[in-house]
Amino acid sequence: NAGVTQTPKFQVLKTGQSMTLQCAQDMNHNSMYWYRQDPGMGLRLIYYSASEGTTDKGEVPNGYNVSRLNKREFSLRLESAAPSQTSVYFCASSNYRNTEAFFGQGTRLTVV
Amino acid sequence: QKEVEQDPGPLSVPEGAIVSLNCTYSNSAFQYFMWYRQYSRKGPELLMYTYSSGNKEDGRFTAQVDKSSKYISLFIRDSQPSDSATYLCAASGGGADGLTFGKGTHLIIQP
Repeated sequence: NAGVTQTPKFQVLKTGQSMTLQCAQDMNHNSMYWYRQDPGMGLRLIYYSASEGTTDKGEVPNGYNVSRLNKREFSLRLESAAPSQTSVYFCASSNYRNTEAFFGQGTRLTVV
Repeated sequence: QKEVEQDPGPLSVPEGAIVSLNCTYSNSAFQYFMWYRQYSRKGPELLMYTYSSGNKEDGRFTAQVDKSSKYISLFIRDSQPSDSATYLCAASGGGADGLTFGKGTHLIIQP
């Protein structure tokens, strides 16, 4: 059982480059999330999708866009990467009421 | 001020000790409270969740919520070196709008 799968695991970008982080879940969850984790800041919500066809901003959405491709897949796009977006990105999916959220292994992104 | 506050530690205890990890929160709308464990360079792993006030036990782990004081606790009995990790508390109002996390406490169990 794969759970939540993120690709890529590591990425180095130059300032101004774009990229898309991919996430897929096989638990038939309606809700999916993108978080970033920075030292001393904890996990912060970037965007979420409560169900297929809907997306909403979280705490730190600036500089990001998302697409809920279908029930399984939720992608995060950086259109013009900045050094401030250097972070570890986690995708998660959860059941109704958000009581059991499962996380992927993360993408370590460095923007130089 | 974050809605969920957690001492980052590190907290270092000898093997076999009882560990107490704590968080406070400020949002009265939070109804569900979770504890996650995160090993270095890995994703957070759900340990357990509780609804409203009360206790929940799972093996060596006990989660406790006191809504009157807005206090969340995780107790680990008979701590093992393999319990060394960062422990994250989180809270939710029960909607689909994501979890609010504390910053995590780094726990070290000394053999």
